[in-house]
Amino acid sequence: KQEVTQIPAALSVPEGENLVLNCSFTDSAIYNLQWFRQDPGKGLTSLLLIQSSQREQTSGRLNASLDKSSGRSTLYIAASQPGDSATYLCAVRQNYGGATNKLIFGTGTLLAVQP
Amino acid sequence: DVKVTQSSRYLVKRTGEKVFLECVQDMDHENMFWYRQDPGLGLRLIYFSYDVKMKEKGDIPEGYSVSREKKERFSLILESASTNQTSMYLCASSMSVLLVFGEGSRLTVL
Repeated sequence: KQEVTQIPAALSVPEGENLVLNCSFTDSAIYNLQWFRQDPGKGLTSLLLIQSSQREQTSGRLNASLDKSSGRSTLYIAASQPGDSATYLCAVRQNYGGATNKLIFGTGTLLAVQP
Repeated sequence: DVKVTQSSRYLVKRTGEKVFLECVQDMDHENMFWYRQDPGLGLRLIYFSYDVKMKEKGDIPEGYSVSREKKERFSLILESASTNQTSMYLCASSMSVLLVFGEGSRLTVL
């Protein structure tokens, strides 16, 4: 059974620092991996999606990498800002095929960027 | 702007009540999902649907049912609410690989 783990559970950094969030998964037979952002009391916003054949994806100050063989993904945030404060979740889609899009989520990392 | 709308953001219900959580998407997506989110447990899939009138059980379907009579609407039903169903409920939809989430419905069962 696939398990997705995110460490640390919480992280506090000063503004301007570069940081890395970690995600690990136990079954490497994944179709893709997504990183989401969740603000308090709100839904999830998709940040980046990496297909299993890709090594990384970039969007602005965000860079996500994927190492399927070791079961790891990282989300790199450059020059962090207070507006980046949120919970960041990763989710993997199993390589079952078919029309479904079942994601398995980690429990998230709560990021606080101090001004 | 594409949207998934959950009509009730906050609900308070009593044990034993029947509860309906409604979700509507305006993107003509085939797939729709209901998750619940609890501290320390993350998001867990309750039910999903890949077509009108089709439904599949997720990881924690017990105590829940769903209805998908129209493509744009996916309803989650708690037949007899219990206190352990107090949670944040998140609806999502997708056409292919990207999920779009609603804002969530926070349900408290007293």
